[in-house]
Amino acid sequence: NAGVTQTPKFRVLKTGQSMTLLCAQDMNHEYMYWYRQDPGMGLRLIHYSVGEGTTAKGEVPDGYNVSRLKKQNFLLGLESAAPSQTSVYFCATQAGDYNEQFFGPGTRLTVL
Amino acid sequence: GQNIDQPTEMTATEGAIVQINCTYQTSGFNGLFWYQQHAGEAPTFLSYNVLDGLEEKGRFSSFLSRSKGYSYLLLKELQMKDSASYLCAAMDSNYQLIWGAGTKLIIKP
Repeated sequence: NAGVTQTPKFRVLKTGQSMTLLCAQDMNHEYMYWYRQDPGMGLRLIHYSVGEGTTAKGEVPDGYNVSRLKKQNFLLGLESAAPSQTSVYFCATQAGDYNEQFFGPGTRLTVL
Repeated sequence: GQNIDQPTEMTATEGAIVQINCTYQTSGFNGLFWYQQHAGEAPTFLSYNVLDGLEEKGRFSSFLSRSKGYSYLLLKELQMKDSASYLCAAMDSNYQLIWGAGTKLIIKP
């Protein structure tokens, strides 16, 4: 079992470009999350999903969109990248409310 | 507002014991999680406390006091591989995790 995988692992964008980050899981978990992690700050929730076809905004949703068309995949889109979106992005899954979250390996994104 | 506080950095000696503290303020409370994160890697789950008291798992223990909004992670018999960041996260009334900035633990021989 692969667990939680993220594609790509690294990416460099120019300001204004767009891209999509893919998170895939084979754990059959209902909940999926997108976080960003910046130096000196805690993980910040961008968007999340509590099931196929549902999405909701987290703490820092501006500049990002998401889709969960299939239970096993959660996509994060950057419509027009900005240098402030340079960060490490983690996807996480969770079986239910009181369960721990399992993280993907992360995507390191640099926006020039 | 919601807030998690934990020390930025701690240093300890191989073979010793270290306690990493975490205080939290959340809207509602559904438990406290500890995660370990090695440099350049993803966080991995260590422990979950929802009731007051101490939970022990091998060399790692986690304590919770709900009345004080306080938790600690205790690491015994420190090994060099324990050098990592330790993240404290509280689950609020909406079952969302509020994360601390992490404590970087440096182990010296």
